[in-house]
Amino acid sequence: ETGVTQTPRHLVMGMTNKKSLKCEQHLGHNAMYWYKQSAKKPLELMFVYNFKEQTENNSVPSRFSPECPNSSHLFLHLHTLQPEDSALYLCASSQAGADGYTFGSGTRLTVV
Amino acid sequence: SQQGEEDPQALSIQEGENATMNCSYKTSINNLQWYRQNSGRGLVHLILIRSNEREKHSGRLRVTLDTSKKSSSLLITASRAADTASYFCATVGEKLTFGTGTRLTIIP
Repeated sequence: ETGVTQTPRHLVMGMTNKKSLKCEQHLGHNAMYWYKQSAKKPLELMFVYNFKEQTENNSVPSRFSPECPNSSHLFLHLHTLQPEDSALYLCASSQAGADGYTFGSGTRLTVV
Repeated sequence: SQQGEEDPQALSIQEGENATMNCSYKTSINNLQWYRQNSGRGLVHLILIRSNEREKHSGRLRVTLDTSKKSSSLLITASRAADTASYFCATVGEKLTFGTGTRLTIIP
């Protein structure tokens, strides 16, 4: 366990479904991130939250909707996804101003 | 946009040999980090080297940084089967940006 917990580990959803990914960190960090990892592509930064405020939205389609109710929890709400959205979604946290990121184990999402 | 590019994309070596992976990047950085990822899992932070450092060691890991060439290398000495994983460099300028990774396979 890295201190960053993601649930669920695996998710299969239809294109009309609505689901949410959850990330929780127990490290006292104040910055949290969502990354998307597709096959043979670099990790793509999706969203950044610093002190619960969204500070970056990396041109992510509106079918992905993040929520950060407090500095320990981060959600990614999904609706009307496309098959090309199938990927490993990774959450990470860090102490703002510090250097290393701590990653969760990811949620493997398959859109059918 | 992609910042780091690892080379080679895949590497297979015998257990006990040394493994060297390279990373090139394009813009100015504050520091460069190496991460490891086991298949389908999250990334684990291995080592960080700051822009004013040239070499850093951590156990069997040795990282070099050449800011004039915008390149870094990760050396794993005396490789073990458990080192089989993908290795990513990540550069920190305004944000953490990853390369596509090197898939390392250690053959027992």
